[in-house]
Amino acid sequence: QVVVSQSPSASASLGASVNLTCTLSSGHANSAIAWHQQRPGKAPQSLMKLHSDGSHNKADGIPDRFSGSSSGADRYLTISSLQSDDEADYYCQTWVTGVTGFHVIFGRGTKLTVL
Amino acid sequence: QVDLVESGGGVVQPGESLRLSCAASGFTFNFHAMHWVRQAPGKGLEWVAAVSYDGQNPFYADSVKGRFTVSRDNSKNMFFLQVNRLTTEDTAMYFCARGMTQQWLLFDSWGQGTRVTVSS
Repeated sequence: QVVVSQSPSASASLGASVNLTCTLSSGHANSAIAWHQQRPGKAPQSLMKLHSDGSHNKADGIPDRFSGSSSGADRYLTISSLQSDDEADYYCQTWVTGVTGFHVIFGRGTKLTVL
Repeated sequence: QVDLVESGGGVVQPGESLRLSCAASGFTFNFHAMHWVRQAPGKGLEWVAAVSYDGQNPFYADSVKGRFTVSRDNSKNMFFLQVNRLTTEDTAMYFCARGMTQQWLLFDSWGQGTRVTVSS
């Protein structure tokens, strides 16, 4: 079962804005997700929890340039005023529950290139 | 400030075992479920195991069930993963992560990771 889908890559220019998308499968459109950033060679860093209504709770220290929004089954991460340091892999994370228990699921990640 | 520090990784042969540790500080440890997540070289993130805030309920991914054991010691703010009968497919960086208070299946903090290499 594919629960979360992410584009494998994205690119945008220094100083510009970019929207990264995480699409939830049918039946999971109301799920909250988390966005995580992983810079090359580093551990992941949590960015925010994003709800289906678009409300989000950012992790401590995450700058205002990072924001989240939702539309239907899509969860967006918007990064404005792009900096070279934003070049990273971005993962969305959610979970599913069923009769056999639960599964924590990560998207395959979107590799963001800052031009 | 939340801090998670993993240790215990190394290079082992197939069939051998390791005990990974995660030392937690900067927060009330027994308020949070804790998770292990791994990342094979060049690959994405894979959830491995979790334990409830009180240590009473462990959970495992199907790929490791029966070989890995997760536990915690709330008196010492420590979280563990015993990994047995390792195979080359277990080669990865292993991260510990903290579950959110309002949704324990989402993570809000990560450690720096400990590397496990399984090679003959």
